[in-house]
Amino acid sequence: KQEVTQIPAALSVPEGENLVLNCSFTDSAIYNLQWFRQDPGKGLTSLLLIQSSQREQTSGRLNASLDKSSGRSTLYIAASQPGDSATYLCAHGSGNTGKLIFGQGTTLQVKP
Amino acid sequence: DAGITQSPRYKITETGRQVTLMCHQTWSHSYMFWYRQDLGHGLRLIYYSAAADITDKGEVSDGYVVSRSKTENFPLTLESATRSQTSVYFCASSPGQGFSEQFFGPGTRLTVL
Repeated sequence: KQEVTQIPAALSVPEGENLVLNCSFTDSAIYNLQWFRQDPGKGLTSLLLIQSSQREQTSGRLNASLDKSSGRSTLYIAASQPGDSATYLCAHGSGNTGKLIFGQGTTLQVKP
Repeated sequence: DAGITQSPRYKITETGRQVTLMCHQTWSHSYMFWYRQDLGHGLRLIYYSAAADITDKGEVSDGYVVSRSKTENFPLTLESATRSQTSVYFCASSPGQGFSEQFFGPGTRLTVL
């Protein structure tokens, strides 16, 4: 069974810290890996998409890396802000249908 | 540019009733998906569609039916709602196959009494 694990489940940091969220997966033949942000009671906002042939993607203060051989991805958030407080989900594409396998998420709280 | 919309946003129904959740996207994406999100289970795929009139089951499809007569619409029907179907339902779309970014709607919170 394909599984995606995110550690830690929750994280609280002071404003300004750099932080890393972890995502591990069991399927070595993933098509891509996507990071999402979800605010309470809201939908999912796509943050970064890494294709299986890529090693990393960057958007502003966010940098996501992918290591297929070890089954890991990380999301690096630089200079965290209270507005970054949300749940972060990683998911990988399964097969050529595009369906996503999700982790349970990491809930981040950035304190002012 | 509306993107992907879902209706209703909130729904309360009773066990045994039929319920249809609507999903509409304005991008003409080929692929559309329905997921449910539950505490302890995360997001799980219910059904997906590669194009109009092409649908296939996901991980948790029992008790659900979908149709896709038009590219832009992908309704999800609960034929006879059960309490275990109380959940938040998300619709998503993607322009291509497995390499493409997936975009999500705002969700429908369904409560079955």
